[in-house]
Amino acid sequence: EDQVTQSPEALRLQEGESSSLNCSYTVSGLRGLFWYRQDPGKGPEFLFTLYSAGEEKEKERLKATLTKKESFLHITAPKPEDSATYLCAVQPSGTYKYIFGTGTRLKVLA
Amino acid sequence: DTAVSQTPKYLVTQMGNDKSIKCEQNLGHDTMYWYKQDSKKFLKIMFSYNNKELIINETVPNRFSPKSPDKAHLNLHINSLELGDSAVYFCASSRTAETQYFGPGTRLLVL
Repeated sequence: EDQVTQSPEALRLQEGESSSLNCSYTVSGLRGLFWYRQDPGKGPEFLFTLYSAGEEKEKERLKATLTKKESFLHITAPKPEDSATYLCAVQPSGTYKYIFGTGTRLKVLA
Repeated sequence: DTAVSQTPKYLVTQMGNDKSIKCEQNLGHDTMYWYKQDSKKFLKIMFSYNNKELIINETVPNRFSPKSPDKAHLNLHINSLELGDSAVYFCASSRTAETQYFGPGTRLLVL
């Protein structure tokens, strides 16, 4: 069965303390992997799409990487405004479905 | 300009009532989706339409009925609301099989 697991469930960092969020997936074939940020009371906001193993994307303090079994969202020198829930989703090959993980709640302390 | 919009933002209603949520996108996408986000923040797909054709219909009670009058609109009608229907409902849109863009959500509370 297609599955997405994110870890850790929650993460507290001091401002400037770099870390990584993990998204492990099990699919028969991968069409794409997506990272979103969700702030309280808002809809998920698109961050990155990754399509093949070895691919990397960067945006400000965030960098997403992809292997055949997992993706990492690296956060370098985070700021309090990076606090949010980060969601990972995969789209299996041959489907229109998107399967979401349960997210990582990130809190960055000043 | 709002890319994906939903109305209403909040919906408080009694058990047994019928209600509708509307979604509109101005991104020119051909695929639209409805998701349900539960209290643990888990996003689960419910339905998807591609060019007004239903392409995803997950295991959802048949009290839920989506309708897509055109490519830019996807509505969700819910009959005989139950307590367990309380959740946040998100609409999203994409070009076929590409990145989805989400609306702000509709917070439904059934009393």
